[in-house]
Amino acid sequence: QEQLLQSGAEVKKPGASVKVSCKASGYTLTRYDLSWLRQAPGQGLEWVGWMNPDSGYAGFAPSFQGRVTLTRNSSINTAYMELSGLRSDDTAVYYCARGQLTTVFPYDTWGQGTLVTVSS
Amino acid sequence: EIEMTQFPATLSVSPGERATLSCRASQSVDVNLAWYQQKPGQAPRLLISRASTRASGVPARFSGSGSGTEFTLTISSLQSEDSAVYYCQQYNNWPPRSTFGGGTRVEIK
Repeated sequence: QEQLLQSGAEVKKPGASVKVSCKASGYTLTRYDLSWLRQAPGQGLEWVGWMNPDSGYAGFAPSFQGRVTLTRNSSINTAYMELSGLRSDDTAVYYCARGQLTTVFPYDTWGQGTLVTVSS
Repeated sequence: EIEMTQFPATLSVSPGERATLSCRASQSVDVNLAWYQQKPGQAPRLLISRASTRASGVPARFSGSGSGTEFTLTISSLQSEDSAVYYCQQYNNWPPRSTFGGGTRVEIK
């Protein structure tokens, strides 16, 4: 069964950074593009960015440019999203999601989500 | 950035009745439009891609239509398990960009 397994909840102080992991299970990470999204409490979905895990090439939504870093470790089939300069409005559930075999979108497989809470 | 508007915000429908959800793009997205279903505490689930192609395992009562700026998700005969929030997503495959609508909450009357 192909699935994405994310790391556990995090609590961070304003100004800190958080790194969320996303491990591919049942398939090879580098075969599919991977995106990251978030959902603030009670709100809708927001696209953060995407990465080609094979090449390492990444792109971001304008509002996240300069604050997000996407990386991967192919040897352990795991991708990472690091968000820096955390603010209270970064409090959200962060998801990784897999694209199609030849395109970034749409997403047929999602991680279970990682709650990131930013609070002083 | 392309803005996506979904309406209505909430839809209350009796079991067995038809539910019609709308999604409008601020500029043409061709057929690069997906629909997702999200239940409380769960990740979204892909229902429709390329405006009208049902994803694997999605019941036939779900159908999508539209192109350009106007799109519709129809649930032909609402079941109790269809109670959820539905999101539309526009996407551009290169360079990759995407935005979501604000969602429509479907309630069972």
